[in-house]
Amino acid sequence: SQQGEEDPQALSIQEGENATMNCSYKTSINNLQWYRQNSGRGLVHLILIRSNEREKHSGRLRVTLDTSKKSSSLLITASRAADTASYFCATDYTGANSKLTFGKGITLSVRP
Amino acid sequence: DVKVTQSSRYLVKRTGEKVFLECVQDMDHENMFWYRQDPGLGLRLIYFSYDVKMKEKGDIPEGYSVSREKKERFSLILESASTNQTSMYLCASSLLPGSSGYTFGSGTRLTVV
Repeated sequence: SQQGEEDPQALSIQEGENATMNCSYKTSINNLQWYRQNSGRGLVHLILIRSNEREKHSGRLRVTLDTSKKSSSLLITASRAADTASYFCATDYTGANSKLTFGKGITLSVRP
Repeated sequence: DVKVTQSSRYLVKRTGEKVFLECVQDMDHENMFWYRQDPGLGLRLIYFSYDVKMKEKGDIPEGYSVSREKKERFSLILESASTNQTSMYLCASSLLPGSSGYTFGSGTRLTVV
């Protein structure tokens, strides 16, 4: 399977702390994306980083990509209780006809 | 904002029934996708379509078919529902394959009894 793998599977932090989530993948990619899913709902696109980019920011989100290690990190700074959700990385593999392959997700709990 | 609307949030069907899951997007996106989501397995791609009347199999197409007669509508069909098709079904659309994020619907939680 070419499915990406997120790490850790679950993360619990205090409000105001930073949350770091990691994703590793197996073959070359065109881009990597992060999504959030609130319980029982659809996924929401957070950020896309292309294979020739190393870092992107969006508000309190910072994503890095290391293609030599085939890994990405999502950092949420100054977390809030509303950030409690599942987070997924999704990879657009080269030659995969531009379909996204999703990981199994990371469950983030932010305690008030 | 792009909206992807799935016709039902919850659905209960009997084994052997033919089930239609409807998905409509309102922003003229070319590409549409159907995933199922199961605990511990993440999202798995069932079928996708890059154009009207075009369809391609994803990773787990067995037991499913799709229809895309109009650009905005992508239907997932369970020909004869089985209990192992109990799952959360998610529809998504995107503007450019591989260059833009997906917009997802809210999901349909299907229970087959």
